[in-house]
Amino acid sequence: DAGVTQSPTHLIKTRGQQVTLRCSPKSGHDTVSWYQQALGQGPQFIFQYYEEEERQRGNFPDRFSGHQFPNYSSELNVNALLLGDSALYLCASSLGWANQETQYFGPGTRLLVL
Amino acid sequence: GESVGLHLPTLSVQEGDNSIINCAYSNSASDYFIWYKQESGKGPQFIIDIRSNMDKRQGQRVTVLLNKTVKHLSLQIAATQPGDSAVYFCAENTGNAGNMLTFGGGTRLMVKP
Repeated sequence: DAGVTQSPTHLIKTRGQQVTLRCSPKSGHDTVSWYQQALGQGPQFIFQYYEEEERQRGNFPDRFSGHQFPNYSSELNVNALLLGDSALYLCASSLGWANQETQYFGPGTRLLVL
Repeated sequence: GESVGLHLPTLSVQEGDNSIINCAYSNSASDYFIWYKQESGKGPQFIIDIRSNMDKRQGQRVTVLLNKTVKHLSLQIAATQPGDSAVYFCAENTGNAGNMLTFGGGTRLMVKP
């Protein structure tokens, strides 16, 4: 039973560039959430996708966008990168978005913006 | 691996002792709470959860206590082992509909052999 997978594991970009991060949910899950974790802090909710639509969004600018595919996998896109976007980006999957189902996290993608 | 948290509150315990990690949550309307363990260089790992209609829930070597009156959550780890060394986060479900989690700041647990 495959858990949540994310790619790439590490990424280095420069300011102003764009980045795409990828996530495959745990087998049987249909909902994907994305979180940003700055060093020394807890994860912060970015948004959540279910049935290929964004269902909830945290306090993040429009530079952060996403997509969910028919196979439930998801992408997080960040445009016009800022130094402050350097963080660990975590994907979590769960079953259903309206219920309080347990979210299981992937290993994350470490993004460094120079 | 890289450090998850450089300036987190730290709890240092002797191997074999019991550990208690505390968390104050913010939203009185939250009704679902989860404890996650995060080791260096890894994503958060689910430990145990509790819903607001309960005040205690037990798992394998772990117990979560919920005090809604003072908005306080605690995680008790029995017979702490070196493998328990990690950063522990509590999270609350704050979405009226949906599954958005709000995380606390985390506590680093260090187990001395």
